Amino acid sequence: GAGVSQSPSNKVTEKGKDVELRCDPISGHTALYWYRQSLGQGLEFLIYFQGNSAPDKSGLPSDRFSAERTGGSVSTLTIQRTQQEDSAVYLCASTRLGGSSYNEQFFGPGTRLTVL
Amino acid sequence: LAKTTQPISMDSYEGQEVNITCSHNNIATNDYITWYQQFPSQGPRFIIQGYKTKVTNEVASLFIPADRKSSTLSLPRVSLSDTAVYYCLVGGLYSGAGSYQLTFGKGTKLSVIP
Repeated sequence: GAGVSQSPSNKVTEKGKDVELRCDPISGHTALYWYRQSLGQGLEFLIYFQGNSAPDKSGLPSDRFSAERTGGSVSTLTIQRTQQEDSAVYLCASTRLGGSSYNEQFFGPGTRLTVL
Repeated sequence: LAKTTQPISMDSYEGQEVNITCSHNNIATNDYITWYQQFPSQGPRFIIQGYKTKVTNEVASLFIPADRKSSTLSLPRVSLSDTAVYYCLVGGLYSGAGSYQLTFGKGTKLSVIP
């Protein structure tokens, strides 16, 4: 079927506004991952979902960041009161099974967030 | 948690073999080592994965020494289209502490020169 999709592809917002980023994983994939990639930098792991549960939220940069997953499918990453340092590409990935670097991750194209 | 270290960049001529090494001194027993390739404006793409010794597929080889504290991605006869950033990934579910992290290296930017 289709690969991982993310929306919007680009988002420009003003400092202080809230944004929601969406990820649609590959159908049937039980695990979902969010990463952040700042310009010219590597991938920063944010959070992982196994089903609808996130066992560890410590990777989220601040309490302005939250994520949820419903129905074992779509996930939303919400950033409240955005700051300029939140500007980055937010990548989502999914795996058929969960919980380990053993499982091949399929990445979406990312959402480029720009905070003015 | 395993931290990974890679060279920031590498240059190679077309047709040469390229070896990119990733250090992961704190790798845990249940961690696998996976390498990804990323082109500009795209998400990373899986290349190869291993646990120990040598793994080979149609695009690359992965060498992992017995102590597993490093791994080397080998790309045979690179072409211009191999110009990309290459990441090594180490991580797994850490039971007990309930912590789960995946650690990508900062990536190695490979530039293939005609």
